[in-house]
Amino acid sequence: GENVEQHPSTLSVQEGDSAVIKCTYSDSASNYFPWYKQELGKGPQLIIDIRSNVGEKKDQRIAVTLNKTAKHFSLHITETQPEDSAVYFCAAGWGGGSQGNLIFGKGTKLSVKP
Amino acid sequence: DAGVIQSPRHEVTEMGQEVTLRCKPISGHNSLFWYRQTMMRGLELLIYFNNNVPIDDSGMPEDRFSAKMPNASFSTLKIQPSEPRDSAVYFCASSLGGSQYNEQFFGPGTRLTVL
Repeated sequence: GENVEQHPSTLSVQEGDSAVIKCTYSDSASNYFPWYKQELGKGPQLIIDIRSNVGEKKDQRIAVTLNKTAKHFSLHITETQPEDSAVYFCAAGWGGGSQGNLIFGKGTKLSVKP
Repeated sequence: DAGVIQSPRHEVTEMGQEVTLRCKPISGHNSLFWYRQTMMRGLELLIYFNNNVPIDDSGMPEDRFSAKMPNASFSTLKIQPSEPRDSAVYFCASSLGGSQYNEQFFGPGTRLTVL
């Protein structure tokens, strides 16, 4: 089955710096890669996703890159702000006929220091 | 839209008791997922339903766990009997089904503590 590894487990940056979180996956059939942000006491919330037919996707300060050959994908946050502090999860899944499941990484706790 | 609704938000029970967690998905969504989150194991998929039918329950840890979805607007996750190692946050999520992946919307979770 699919296995998703996520690094680092914790990341501390100064406000205004960039943050990068990396994930690798094992199943070459996976074709959907979302990133979720989880704030304290809340459920995860989708912030950006990428499908396997695209190498990069950007949404304001957030970008995701995908390397299918190497089976890894990364989240990039630029100009970090204190409100970016949260736990971030990557996931991999296969969007087949009916809704398939997602395999999540263990999460990265991002702290942005003002 | 109220989003995915879960109840209770917190549950404290004693070992051996039955626990029932409840979920109301977003109206119109036809896929529903139950996850368990712990520090050690992260976020794990327990079971998911499509059009009220269980599709994959391979993540359900043991026979003590069972899930039902009697209609499109309600699902339950039951643990009987509960054990201390079941202590975790349980999330329900829902999404639109279809041939492509759609965003999973998570509820606020139920924090379960088994003493």
